[in-house]
Amino acid sequence: SQTIHQWPATLVQPVGSPLSLECTVEGTSNPNLYWYRQAAGRGLQLLFYSVGIGQISSEVPQNLSASRPQDRQFILSSKKLLLSDSGFYLCAWSGGPQGLAYNEQFFGPGTRLTVL
Amino acid sequence: TQLLEQSPQFLSIQEGENLTVYCNSSSVFSSLQWYRQEPGEGPVLLVTVVTGGEVKKLKRLTFQFGDARKDSSLHITAAQPGDTGLYLCAGVRDSNYQLIWGAGTKLIIKP
Repeated sequence: SQTIHQWPATLVQPVGSPLSLECTVEGTSNPNLYWYRQAAGRGLQLLFYSVGIGQISSEVPQNLSASRPQDRQFILSSKKLLLSDSGFYLCAWSGGPQGLAYNEQFFGPGTRLTVL
Repeated sequence: TQLLEQSPQFLSIQEGENLTVYCNSSSVFSSLQWYRQEPGEGPVLLVTVVTGGEVKKLKRLTFQFGDARKDSSLHITAAQPGDTGLYLCAGVRDSNYQLIWGAGTKLIIKP
């Protein structure tokens, strides 16, 4: 079965510090991978998605970046965090049995980031 | 512009009551998904509806896809405290298979 991991679970960082959040997927190959940010109790904002190694699409211009160095690894980074970067960051994968047309997404447990 | 409008945004009811959450759009979707998210966790897929007019049942939850595939509803019968959570709908557009998300309905069921 497929599993998705994210770490760290929580993170408190000062303004201006760098960021690296990691996501890995097990039990599937060539998944589509996604990074989302979620404000408290609200919907999901798509930040980046990737359809393959080294292929990154950005949905929202900002001081964040993403990389996919391996098939099942997705990294979210920042060189200098802003207060507005605080939020709940979710990684997801798709490409399950229903295929791309349904685009059903399976989420990791999330990282709670607080920028002070 | 929010392409998928969810209503209500917030709902607090007593255990045992029935409720309906709506997901509406002016756009046509090839399929539509419903997710439930509990605090501090990632969303979990509940159901995918594909055919216009389709109805799917998951225990006390009934999901319906509109005939024109522009809207969907989630009906919960005899709500229980375990149904508490954030309910999100998401639609797949034919043109590029991207997932369009609603803003969510926060549901609280009081014992």
